[in-house]
Amino acid sequence: DAMVIQNPRYQVTQFGKPVTLSCSQTLNHNVMYWYQQKSSQAPKLLFHYYDKDFNNEADTPDNFQSRRPNTSFCFLDIRSPGLGDAAMYLCATSRGNRNTEAFFGQGTRLTVV
Amino acid sequence: AQTVTQSQPEMSVQEAETVTLSCTYDTSESDYYLFWYKQPPSRQMILVIRQEAYKQQNATENRFSVNFQKAAKSFSLKISDSQLGDAAMYFCAYRSARGGADGLTFGKGTHLIIQP
Repeated sequence: DAMVIQNPRYQVTQFGKPVTLSCSQTLNHNVMYWYQQKSSQAPKLLFHYYDKDFNNEADTPDNFQSRRPNTSFCFLDIRSPGLGDAAMYLCATSRGNRNTEAFFGQGTRLTVV
Repeated sequence: AQTVTQSQPEMSVQEAETVTLSCTYDTSESDYYLFWYKQPPSRQMILVIRQEAYKQQNATENRFSVNFQKAAKSFSLKISDSQLGDAAMYFCAYRSARGGADGLTFGKGTHLIIQP
């Protein structure tokens, strides 16, 4: 059974048109992460939530926002997508303990046209 | 800031043979975790193996083992008796042990091809 679910798997959006990617989890984990994975590059952490506490990486563009309305769901909002934002977006969760592993969703492939 | 380097963009191995994927990292921390994740085509990333930096013993999970050299900041993955299902992207990743919520720092990945 899928434990970290990302919807949709594929998203096409227009240049400059706001888009929202969704992630849900059935693991009841405290922490939810968003990573950006461009082609042939390492996945890069954008931000994470520890419960309701939001933690933004220093170099994450302002164009990217996130919301976590409850434990199960987390959203990635891209306010004005540019061509350079085309990527795979990965959601992950963890318990947040010291000795913990991350569980990943299948990702959402975002295309900007 | 920590960095993770995987110098092999692609590796190929015959089925049933052994292959080693390389990973080096840079950090000023003494307490951290290292991971190898597998990402099959169109499927989610899954954990293959994990190593705590304070443990000298190399981690082993069935056919997967690591060679952790802390002084050299090297963390290679050995896959024995390679199987067709091992074909995937493999990512080496680092996480600080300061706090459990810290995210992962990934390498660029190695594409592993299994030749039947």
